[in-house]
Amino acid sequence: DVKVTQSSRYLVKRTGEKVFLECVQDMDHENMFWYRQDPGLGLRLIYFSYDVKMKEKGDIPEGYSVSREKKERFSLILESASTNQTSMYLCASSLLNPDTQYFGPGTRLTVL
Amino acid sequence: AQSVAQPEDQVNVAEGNPLTVKCTYSVSGNPYLFWYVQYPNRGLQFLLKYITGDNLVKGSYGFEAEFNKSQTSFHLKKPSALVSDSALYFCAVRDVDYKLSFGAGTTVTVRA
Repeated sequence: DVKVTQSSRYLVKRTGEKVFLECVQDMDHENMFWYRQDPGLGLRLIYFSYDVKMKEKGDIPEGYSVSREKKERFSLILESASTNQTSMYLCASSLLNPDTQYFGPGTRLTVL
Repeated sequence: AQSVAQPEDQVNVAEGNPLTVKCTYSVSGNPYLFWYVQYPNRGLQFLLKYITGDNLVKGSYGFEAEFNKSQTSFHLKKPSALVSDSALYFCAVRDVDYKLSFGAGTTVTVRA
């Protein structure tokens, strides 16, 4: 079975702090994704990566950056956390083909 | 861009009754469609997908979905709902660059 793990289930940070969310997958998937999930809005794509050191902006990249130094690890960085970044963050991975994405358990981030 | 719509925010059914969660799509070209389920405080779990072939797709936990090209729909169905099926359900369509576009989600409540 594919396993996608995220470094924290719950995280509380202060406004202005730099926040790192880590994601690791163990199935040698090329693609990795970061989403945020908010009630009534579904999942919105923040960034994705289709190879090591490659990244592409998703639909809502403002206020975020990412890093992919190794194939299995994809990090989401909040350079200066703000209260409107309080959300559930989900990481996913997939092969190029087929396209099924496999999700981690999520990190619920609260910015005070 | 590809998109999906889930017209119902909530679906309530009694245990043992049929369950249907609706999804309509808008794509250019052939659609690749997915259903995911999210249990409370968990990540998304893949249920099933339609790529090509038979319009009736069978998936996990007794769920199936019917692809209807003329109605541009991909409704999720289960013949006999269980209380444990209570969860948040997402429809998704593959977009460019292996991304997925998700609907807003439908909350299913199955009462005993």
